[in-house]
Amino acid sequence: DAKTTQPPSMDCAEGRAANLPCNHSTISGNEYVYWYRQIHSQGPQYIIHGLKNNETNEMASLIITEDRKSSTLILPHATLRDTAVYYCIAPAGGTSYGKLTFGQGTILTVHP
Amino acid sequence: EAGVVQSPRYKIIEKKQPVAFWCNPISGHNTLYWYLQNLGQGPELLIRYENEEAVDDSQLPKDRFSAERLKGVDSTLKIQPAELGDSAVYLCASSSKQGAGNEQFFGPGTRLTVL
Repeated sequence: DAKTTQPPSMDCAEGRAANLPCNHSTISGNEYVYWYRQIHSQGPQYIIHGLKNNETNEMASLIITEDRKSSTLILPHATLRDTAVYYCIAPAGGTSYGKLTFGQGTILTVHP
Repeated sequence: EAGVVQSPRYKIIEKKQPVAFWCNPISGHNTLYWYLQNLGQGPELLIRYENEEAVDDSQLPKDRFSAERLKGVDSTLKIQPAELGDSAVYLCASSSKQGAGNEQFFGPGTRLTVL
C-alpha cells in the first residue's frame, strides 16, 4: 500500500465544512484513494473513493490533486454525528477488495 | 438489508482460556475478513477468505489463532489459549466482487478482555 500521512486531529464547528487532508506521495498510477471513518464503538464505514477525478456522493466530496500526491475529504456541513476517526487508505493492487491497511487516521471532533 | 453480524459483542475471559468469535457476513458476499484493532490503533488484517478458502492468512498468529469458514458463509475465529495481549476488538468485514465491489462492510466488532 502507498504510505498515507494524515494530521492526528482536527476540530470543526457544527454546520461548517470539514476539510481533512491526506498525503500519499508514493501512490502508484492504479491505486485508488479510499476514505473510511470509524465512529466510537462501531466498525469502520466506507465513505468514498477516487482515482484521478474529484468525486462526490451523499456523504462527502473527495478532491484529488492533479499529481495525485494528496487529497482532501470534504464534509460540506459537519454535524456532531460526524465526530469520528477518518482513515485515508491507498490499497496496493488498486481497490479495497483485498487488504486495507489502516494508519492512525485523523480524529475529527465536531463541536457545537 | 442486514449488515455484518458479530457475536458476542463483549467477552471477558481469564488468560489461558479459549475463546471464539462468530461472524455472519452480508448475504451474497463471497469475501470475508477478520481484523484486529488495538486501542488507539487502526484495524489490522488477520485473515481473508474467498468463499471457503483462506487466501491471505499471513498476519494470523497460527500458534494460538485459528479461523474457519466451512460453508463459505459464516466464520469463526478462535484463540486458544488467550493471552493478556490479545485484549482488543475483533472486527469482521465482508465484500462482494459484484457491482462496484469497492467497499468493505464492517460489523460492530467483539471487544475481548483477557484478565
